[in-house]
This record gives sequence, C-alpha cells and structure tokens, in this order.
Amino acid sequence: DQQVKQNSPSLSVQEGRISILNCDYTNSMFDYFLWYKKYPAEGPTFLISISSIKDKNEDGRFTVFLNKSAKHLSLHIVPSQPGDSAVYFCAAPGSSNTGKLIFGQGTTLQVKP
Amino acid sequence: DAGITQSPRHKVTETGTPVTLRCHQTENHRYMYWYRQDPGHGLRLIHYSYGVKDTDKGEVSDGYSVSRSKTEDFLLTLESATSSQTSVYFCAISADRNYGYTFGSGTRLTVV
Repeated sequence: DQQVKQNSPSLSVQEGRISILNCDYTNSMFDYFLWYKKYPAEGPTFLISISSIKDKNEDGRFTVFLNKSAKHLSLHIVPSQPGDSAVYFCAAPGSSNTGKLIFGQGTTLQVKP
Repeated sequence: DAGITQSPRHKVTETGTPVTLRCHQTENHRYMYWYRQDPGHGLRLIHYSYGVKDTDKGEVSDGYSVSRSKTEDFLLTLESATSSQTSVYFCAISADRNYGYTFGSGTRLTVV
C-alpha cells in the first residue's frame, strides 16, 4: 500500500516549456511534503517543500501546489532547462518523532534542447 | 558539501555471504537512515537510527540489520545476501525532525 504515489514514471518536455510532475497521497494526516531531485550516480538532493497550511510554495523556477481535498500535489518547473533532467521524488513524513520520510516511486524528467 | 560518505561505492558479492555497508558522517547529526532504491519502488526505508544504539526497523527490514555504536557511523549488514537485495543503497542524515535530509552518494550492490 503505497501511501505516496507518482503514477508517471517518465516525462519528456522541450526546453523552455513547463514541466509538471504529479504526486498523490492517501494519508490525510500528512501535513508536510517535499520534493527531491536525483541525478545519476548521485544521492537525492532537497528541492522544495510545502506545508499543508499552504496551497502553493514558490522558489525561483520551481513551484509546488498542494490540493488537500484531492490529496494531490504537483511540481511545476518554468521554464524547463536541460539541466533539470533528473529523477524527481515526492515525499511525506511517516510516523512522528523519527523524521522518517515516505517516498514516491519517482518520475524521470527529460528536458530536450 | 555535507560530510556524509558511503563505502564501498560499488560491490559485487555472492549469494549467501554477509555484506556490510558503511555510512560515515562528520556533521554530528542525530538521525541516520538507510534506504534502498529500486525501479518502480522509489526509495524505501530499511532501518533508521535516532541516536547512538537507538535503531528501529523501516518498511523493508527483513534480511538486514544495523548498528550505530558512534554518532558518526551507521552500518547496514546483509546477513546472508540474496539476489533480491541487489539494489542501490542510500544513507541519509538529518539534524532533527525537520525532514531536511542530506543523502550520501549511494552504494551499488550486486548479488550474484
């Protein structure tokens, strides 16, 4: 029972266009969400997060939207650049007090020049 | 760069042999985690530690054990390696429960 789901394994977009990566969750108790980015042969790195008290958080070209009623969040990258090509994971905290994160399956983004 | 290193970076081992992976940090962070990454499954938590000698199981802990005798080192042991444990293993550290993970570069383990 995957509590955090990324149903699109891959996404391909043209440079300069918008990339939209989606993530669904099943646990309505989740109150914080994060996105991590991973390049080949490297560990994931933190990208952006959002608290459930917000519906949007923006950091430069990256914006995360949260729709609590739909249990859905999305990461928008505008404009997309070839260097954004990577695997993107969404994540949510598991049980309290331990800092555990539950990750989605990941979406591989390819930005074509 | 955050001070977290994993060793070895690559390892090939035979079925049935024990294997130990090491995660070493110089950040003095309290929390440490072991994840494995597999296609279609993303990152799954194996074990984690919330202090020296304080460890607990994650969602895929069968066949794995951990030890943390010092703040800086978190060891993951495959007691008897199986082909299903072929994976990329990531260690992560966190100063507190603010979910700001820093990941190591990973260990690619192949069990033949």
